[in-house]
Amino acid sequence: DAMVIQNPRYQVTQFGKPVTLSCSQTLNHNVMYWYQQKSSQAPKLLFHYYDKDFNNEADTPDNFQSRRPNTSFCFLDIRSPGLGDAAMYLCATSRGWGSGETQYFGPGTRLLVL
Amino acid sequence: RKEVEQDPGPFNVPEGATVAFNCTYSNSASQSFFWYRQDCRKEPKLLMSVYSSGNEDGRFTAQLNRASQYISLLIRDSKLSDSATYLCAVNVETGANNLFFGTGTRLTVIP
Repeated sequence: DAMVIQNPRYQVTQFGKPVTLSCSQTLNHNVMYWYQQKSSQAPKLLFHYYDKDFNNEADTPDNFQSRRPNTSFCFLDIRSPGLGDAAMYLCATSRGWGSGETQYFGPGTRLLVL
Repeated sequence: RKEVEQDPGPFNVPEGATVAFNCTYSNSASQSFFWYRQDCRKEPKLLMSVYSSGNEDGRFTAQLNRASQYISLLIRDSKLSDSATYLCAVNVETGANNLFFGTGTRLTVIP
């Protein structure tokens, strides 16, 4: 039973061509996160939503935006992908924002920029 | 300085061996600690939370050492299926759920 779903699993885009990655969840969790994980590196938090409240990490590039139209869905928009944006993008959810709340990850979308 | 540091390995151990990983964190105010398992090209999956008193789940034991600012994961009786990358994650903010991950330690269990 899929709980955090990401589509597509693989995405190929061209340098500078906008791309949108999607995430949906069936857990009815309040918080949704987007992480970027490059090869052999740690997942790095880009931003999170608590309900509709958007929170950007300080070092997240302006090239990355996000939308959460409702509880179930969250989108990651990359306005002008560069070669350095090729990575696995992981969506996660948690019930709440308190420390110690378990985060549940989706299977990820692997982005390739040509 | 990174918030969370791990030895990347790889650790190659025979089946049945006991193996231990450590993970150090830099912020003494860190609140919550976790071990995740990540298989190749898959998402991280929560293996276990790490409690102050230490905790055990079958063959896996996690410990927290606040004085020295590290967490550990012990795997006993290693199975081939334990081969994966083990990521530690630390929450450094009170009342928030920002997780900082280590780069992971790669484990390969050899028949």
